[in-house]
Amino acid sequence: DGGITQSPKYLFRKEGQNVTLSCEQNLNHDAMYWYRQDPGQGLRLIYYSQIVNDFQKGDIAEGYSVSREKKESFPLTVTSAQKNPTAFYLCASSVELGEQFFGPGTRLTVL
Amino acid sequence: GIQVEQSPPDLILQEGANSTLRCNFSDSVNNLQWFHQNPWGQLINLFYIPSGTKQNGRLSATTVATERYSLLYISSSQTTDSGVYFCAVEANTGFQKLVFGTGTRLLVSP
Repeated sequence: DGGITQSPKYLFRKEGQNVTLSCEQNLNHDAMYWYRQDPGQGLRLIYYSQIVNDFQKGDIAEGYSVSREKKESFPLTVTSAQKNPTAFYLCASSVELGEQFFGPGTRLTVL
Repeated sequence: GIQVEQSPPDLILQEGANSTLRCNFSDSVNNLQWFHQNPWGQLINLFYIPSGTKQNGRLSATTVATERYSLLYISSSQTTDSGVYFCAVEANTGFQKLVFGTGTRLLVSP
């Protein structure tokens, strides 16, 4: 089945720790995206990548980092510099200039 | 940047009723998508509709790009339609970035 997978589903982090969220897609899409959703809000763009080995900051990139070494994978690292990391994180992918499709999300809680 | 406003923010319906959700945006767009977010947080694609009208079962959508709005129609609503409906637009800026509205929270009661 083609789709987007994210892991883990739930993640708990102690303050000061870095954590990495996984996003994999087998849709052969060139573009991939990371969004953050806070309670009662819409999604905001963290980072996006239009092609392997290239990525761009979105609206709220501070405290986050990404890599795009393979077409299928776009992991997001939430660093200790992110002041308020507790949120729901969603990964998406698309063909160039096309409809975006989303994974099931990861809920991150900082203890 | 582009602004996206959705109305109403909350909507309560009896099962079987019809409803119209509205999305206004402040600039020209390359892309407009409607999503349904289910109680588990999954975003389900409803329509990819930068202009024109589309229908899928009990749902239909119309985007009037020249007047900068889109409408989502839900007919004969069911309890499974409950959740949050988001409109998201991609501004005509040369790179793909969806800007989301704050959503319409729909509750359909039996």
